[in-house]
Amino acid sequence: QQQVKQSPQSLIVQKGGIPIINCAYENTAFDYFPWYQQFPGKGPALLIAIRPDVSEKKEGRFTISFNKSAKQFSLHIMDSQPGDSATYFCAASRSDYKLSFGAGTTVTVRA
Amino acid sequence: DAGVIQSPRHEVTEMGQEVTLRCKPISGHNSLFWYRQTMMRGLELLIYFNNNVPIDDSGMPEDRFSAKMPNASFSTLKIQPSEPRDSAVYFCASNPRIAENTGELFFGEGSRLTVL
Repeated sequence: QQQVKQSPQSLIVQKGGIPIINCAYENTAFDYFPWYQQFPGKGPALLIAIRPDVSEKKEGRFTISFNKSAKQFSLHIMDSQPGDSATYFCAASRSDYKLSFGAGTTVTVRA
Repeated sequence: DAGVIQSPRHEVTEMGQEVTLRCKPISGHNSLFWYRQTMMRGLELLIYFNNNVPIDDSGMPEDRFSAKMPNASFSTLKIQPSEPRDSAVYFCASNPRIAENTGELFFGEGSRLTVL
């Protein structure tokens, strides 16, 4: 049973578009919400992360929006580029340091 | 830094054989995690160590799986006997500051296991 539900499973956008990936969780003990990016044949790599006391965080073209009351958070990729084509995982962790990952979203950015 | 190093990158074996996957974490990182990735189940945490001590092995599928961390620079994940359903990519990851709960894991490139 996945503790973090992620959608959509895949999406395709044109270059310059804004892919949006959504995640939802139930466990209110989660207090750290990272996003990981994975390219084929590679391990996941930390992209950006947020804590629940912040509603939005931006790093370059990547933005996390966090809605604590709805227990939802999302990733936006602004001005997407073909090099952003990858699988993105949301995750959540709590004080026991165990990360629970979402199922992943494969993003394809077409030139 | 060379990052987390895993070996072998690819392993093809027959059902019933013993498989040993190896991991060298980033120097100075005090926590090490083993994950399994499959299309059906995504990324699953198998076990994690803090300061070489196993903290939580509740994700280990069954007794056929075992993991050790004899020192701060080396860990193994062993499957004996292997079964076709063990086919997956196994990732090792390390964390430099587990006490801060940053969730910042540094993953290796994985070991792709195929059990025939």
